[in-house]
Amino acid sequence: EAGVAQSPRYKIIEKRQSVAFWCNPISGHATLYWYQQILGQGPKLLIQFQNNGVVDDSQLPKDRFSAERLKGVDSTLKIQPAKLEDSAVYLCASSLDRVGVHGELFFGEGSRLTVL
Amino acid sequence: GIQVEQSPPDLILQEGANSTLRCNFSDSVNNLQWFHQNPWGQLINLFYIPSGTKQNGRLSATTVATERYSLLYISSSQTTDSGVYFCAVERNNQGGKLIFGQGTELSVKP
Repeated sequence: EAGVAQSPRYKIIEKRQSVAFWCNPISGHATLYWYQQILGQGPKLLIQFQNNGVVDDSQLPKDRFSAERLKGVDSTLKIQPAKLEDSAVYLCASSLDRVGVHGELFFGEGSRLTVL
Repeated sequence: GIQVEQSPPDLILQEGANSTLRCNFSDSVNNLQWFHQNPWGQLINLFYIPSGTKQNGRLSATTVATERYSLLYISSSQTTDSGVYFCAVERNNQGGKLIFGQGTELSVKP
């Protein structure tokens, strides 16, 4: 079974530029998550989708970050304009249904962003 | 919000040694997972263990939900076990939101 796919793996941009990350979850997984992991810290949830609806985006900096999950499958996370502090790894994860109801979270390899 | 504390923050082992990593959490949870983040940044699922004990090869985990802690045991460590180990919990009725600890960085020397 294919895992969670993410692209690009690496991206270097200058501050105030924009960037987009793509995620394709495990087939059949209804719930999709975007996490941000800053170097030396644990991942932090940015946004959670159930099918194509947003469940939790309380920690998403909405002035610069946006995310969508069209048709309840693939998802895109965009940052515009980027700041230096956005340098991090952006991790996408999926689960069959709500974690705690149907089980585990599975992560992609991540997209590493460097903002200069 | 819920607090997740992992200890120790860093650990250096000689190959073949055993170790225990601990995760304490401050509130009731209905999900707990252990992950290994390898040097390339990939988060690998180790255990989904909201309660009880599970074993997978040289690794085992125990969660005592009533006392709000979980332990990850690594026996006969190998250099490939190096990396960061994360504990993540979902607080009761929080709709799937996993909160991560700060991790334990393990280095296994040959």
